[in-house]
Amino acid sequence: NAGVTQTPKFQVLKTGQSMTLQCAQDMNHNSMYWYRQDPGMGLRLIYYSASEGTTDKGEVPNGYNVSRLNKREFSLRLESAAPSQTSVYFCASSEWTGAEAFFGQGTRLTVV
Amino acid sequence: GQQLNQSPQSMFIQEGEDVSMNCTSSSIFNTWLWYKQDPGEGPVLLIALYKAGELTSNGRLTAQFGITRKDSFLNISASIPSDVGIYFCAGHPYSGAGSYQLTFGKGTKLSVIP
Repeated sequence: NAGVTQTPKFQVLKTGQSMTLQCAQDMNHNSMYWYRQDPGMGLRLIYYSASEGTTDKGEVPNGYNVSRLNKREFSLRLESAAPSQTSVYFCASSEWTGAEAFFGQGTRLTVV
Repeated sequence: GQQLNQSPQSMFIQEGEDVSMNCTSSSIFNTWLWYKQDPGEGPVLLIALYKAGELTSNGRLTAQFGITRKDSFLNISASIPSDVGIYFCAGHPYSGAGSYQLTFGKGTKLSVIP
């Protein structure tokens, strides 16, 4: 019962470096999401994919790109990391966009 | 985007006490969800509500979808130490751009004093 799996769990980047956060779900869900969590801010949606082959911007998309590689996998890319992107990133999936979402364990990213 | 106002921001209670927290919005929501997050973990779904007026329980937890569709509350009865954590409300706005975006409140941090 893996659910939603994120890799890596921790990462430290230097300003300007790039990296890709990976997410995979084994629940055959159609929709997948990327959120970031900052102290006192709750969870804010970066991008989502309503179904395989589609992606849309959320509340805070600037500085990020996403790829819905197939039904299982949804990756988040930081092309040129900035200190403001230091955060905890969560991937989630749901059966459809109006259904309850299930979350991964998170990736703790620090940009120095 | 849509905003959810969650209160209180934090609360300290004695073990065995009941807890109540709520979430309000200025606009209508299609769904209300309640999550709990433990330190270093992702949010875990507690209760999902899909109909106005719906009252749902999960063990010692009870949540309701407000009749106006603009609010929801979560009650925890007879709190225990493992109830400690941050509780988030979340929901899907009724319509328009962003209606697919699951929106979160800022959380209620619960501390239980043994």
